Amino acid sequence: DAGITQSPRHKVTETGTPVTLRCHQTENHRYMYWYRQDPGHGLRLIHYSYGVKDTDKGEVSDGYSVSRSKTEDFLLTLESATSSQTSVYFCAIRGDRDTGELFFGEGSRLTVL
Amino acid sequence: GQNIDQPTEMTATEGAIVQINCTYQTSGFNGLFWYQQHAGEAPTFLSYNVLDGLEEKGRFSSFLSRSKGYSYLLLKELQMKDSASYLCAGMDSNYQLIWGAGTKLIIKP
Repeated sequence: DAGITQSPRHKVTETGTPVTLRCHQTENHRYMYWYRQDPGHGLRLIHYSYGVKDTDKGEVSDGYSVSRSKTEDFLLTLESATSSQTSVYFCAIRGDRDTGELFFGEGSRLTVL
Repeated sequence: GQNIDQPTEMTATEGAIVQINCTYQTSGFNGLFWYQQHAGEAPTFLSYNVLDGLEEKGRFSSFLSRSKGYSYLLLKELQMKDSASYLCAGMDSNYQLIWGAGTKLIIKP
């Protein structure tokens, strides 16, 4: 158990509203990631963080922002949600082993109407 | 560009063996991962290969050929609980994972 929790697990919202997803870890890992997963696509990286206040963009960062003010929390914000952002969002942390394997949270299913 | 290709879906019989192939193109290479993902759940780590050859772990084995940009995941003695999607991911020179779309494996009795 890598100690990762995501909230909320499910959310339905309307186009144009702001949404924040939270990822919380209990094991002090440096690297944290936000991915989205859609049918027919592999996991796509939105943003990642390599330390407190250190973040960088992934391949699908448009329309998303992140913040990491504490080691244990990594927030993903959709400033103005669109229907194209309907997806399952996964947070992940990189383990400490040399392989760099990722441990994933349970996912947050977001529906934008 | 970077790309990971794997079959969309495969079907196999309980008790049999199945091989799921993956070809990759990444900018630099720092290893090849396989993850398992049951429907509605998070991906979980299965294997990591960075050198050529076969890595065996119980009923699951993973093979890598760096010269061919090719990997496969071999599942033996298939069980119904192995019905899941199997995700192949290559790690590029920036240590970022490039993911395939996943192979949905259906196990029939």
